[in-house]
Amino acid sequence: QSALTQPASVSGSPGQSITIYCTGTSSDIGAFNFVSWYQQFPGRAPKVIIYDVNNRPSGVSNRFSGSKSGNTASLTISGLQAEDEADYHCCAYSSRTSLGWMFGGGTRLTVL
Amino acid sequence: EVQLVESGGGLVQPGGSLRLSCAASGFTLSAYWMTWVRQAPGEGLEWVANIGQDGSGKYYVDSVKGRFTISRDNAKNTVHLEMNSVRAEDTAVYYCARYSDFWHAIEYWGQGTLVTVSS
Repeated sequence: QSALTQPASVSGSPGQSITIYCTGTSSDIGAFNFVSWYQQFPGRAPKVIIYDVNNRPSGVSNRFSGSKSGNTASLTISGLQAEDEADYHCCAYSSRTSLGWMFGGGTRLTVL
Repeated sequence: EVQLVESGGGLVQPGGSLRLSCAASGFTLSAYWMTWVRQAPGEGLEWVANIGQDGSGKYYVDSVKGRFTISRDNAKNTVHLEMNSVRAEDTAVYYCARYSDFWHAIEYWGQGTLVTVSS
């Protein structure tokens, strides 16, 4: 069982917007702005698409955006495209463990 | 170009040992925290271990404490994960990754190496 909670799956049609939520606690998402999101295609390594809650690395489409409210972080993908179909993982720093970092269980995005 | 290439994965019996290696190139290894992240078949990602730039700081997820050891050799541009007393639940693809202090996120990943624990 992951420390951060994500829905197992979400879906949307091309052109629509979807939001994936990542729920934590006051010891992780609620306490620090160290939330990142990773996109992963089957059989491939993950790739960071959002860091520090709402920052995009160079080269990542501006259709991807991140935000945080209280103990919940969110990833929004606007103007859905078929190529966005992938798994999305949230990650946050936590003060509860010595390791510090934890992932959510991952969300499979299906573009209908 | 930053490259991280893992090796050492394979089939190991429960209770056995395995040593994973990560060859780093395209950057100065000694300037970065390095991590190992794993992904069990069909499951999400799990952050396994961190090691500081000079190897003095090492941190582990609770489930591997006392069994796994992360280490690094900056002169040889390598990072290792020594896995002892392995269990079936350690079966996963293991990724070597470079952590960014600026992004507070994993910036680069290797392609992963599969570890299967089975008799």
